[in-house]
This record gives sequence, C-alpha cells and structure tokens, in this order.
Amino acid sequence: DTAVSQTPKYLVTQMGNDKSIKCEQNLGHDTMYWYKQDSKKFLKIMFSYNNKELIINETVPNRFSPKSPDKAHLNLHINSLELGDSAVYFCASSRTATYEQYFGPGTRLTVT
Amino acid sequence: QKEVEQNSGPLSVPEGAIASLNCTYSDRGSQSFFWYRQYSGKSPELIMFIYSNGDKEDGRFTAQLNKASQYVSLLIRDSQPSDSATYLCAVRLGGAQKLVFGQGTRLTINP
Repeated sequence: DTAVSQTPKYLVTQMGNDKSIKCEQNLGHDTMYWYKQDSKKFLKIMFSYNNKELIINETVPNRFSPKSPDKAHLNLHINSLELGDSAVYFCASSRTATYEQYFGPGTRLTVT
Repeated sequence: QKEVEQNSGPLSVPEGAIASLNCTYSDRGSQSFFWYRQYSGKSPELIMFIYSNGDKEDGRFTAQLNKASQYVSLLIRDSQPSDSATYLCAVRLGGAQKLVFGQGTRLTINP
C-alpha cells in the first residue's frame, strides 16, 4: 500500500543514453511533481502537473521531458544523459498545488 | 538573498534536550510552511506544516511561525538519537504554486 512509488530505485547508465523514470501515486491526489536533489542535498523542483496539465516548468534543459498519462502517474524521460544529470530524482504528490507534498523513495541516477 | 535560508549545521544536541531549528524566508507574502525530515539515503518525510502565526504542536514537535519577522522554526522536545537527520524547511512563496526548500540543517542527537 505504498503511497508514492518510483521505478527504478537505481539507474546507472552511460553518457548520451536516454532513460525514463516512472512515478505512481495511490493517494487520489491531483498534483504531482519532479524534484532533483544534487550532491549537496539541495532539493529543487523541476516540473509539476495538476490533473495532467503542466503547471510548473522550471529552468530545466529540454532534454528532460515529463509526461502525465493520468493524474496518478508522472514519468520523466531524459535524453542524451550528461554527467551533471547524476543526482537523486524524487517524485511527489499533493491533494492540490497548495497542500502538503508527499515524496516517493527516489531514483538515484548515476551517469558514467 | 536566498528565498529560503537555513543554517546548514551540523547542529549537535544532547539526548533529552530541546533541538531548535530555524528558517527564514524572503517573500513576505508566503502562505504555507513545511518541515521535512530526511534520513541519509531516504526521501523527505513531512513532519509538520503551519499556515497561521503562532505555535502548532504535534507530539514532541512544535512549529512556530512569525510572519512579521519572516521566520519559521521547529522545536524537538526530549530529543532522541533517532531524531538525527537533515531537516528541510519548505515555503510556498506568495502567489506561487511551488515549494522552495532551504538547504537543510543536519541535526545530530548525542546519546
């Protein structure tokens, strides 16, 4: 009965490859988010969807493309991976954009 | 000035004492304030949220909000070694639909 789940938990890949991370929530929330946490543990929002509509799109390279097939799922596709993309990526969800957010377990991406 | 600032620590507190964590924010119109706890290698876990000026208590945790001075704090009473973690302050800035996180304060409770 996991609330927010992500797959995979770990992802090791080479520069130039394309990869995807998937997120699902079973909380009935309308809003989902992608965050990036760098090596200094700073957590920064990348994207947010509300009911499948993109509402937040921070200054992120266009190699990153989110997709929300329905309000319970939010995926992140990354093209042409670079060394600097190595980080932990967290998915989160909230009832609406103004309510408290709950985080998934994270995906540790390592680009070699 | 950063939008949300925390002292990165580390903050070291003896077991059984009160741990006090502080956070300041730049936008006077900010509406909602959150404290997350993050253990090493784990995801942020929501422990408190506060929307109105004053204190909000939940078990050993108390969140304090002072909008006039633009700070929010978290007090942990009767600190336990299991409270050792990084504590993240998050603020929903005025008019924004996103949370902005501070850099986190690393707290260590010494037995």
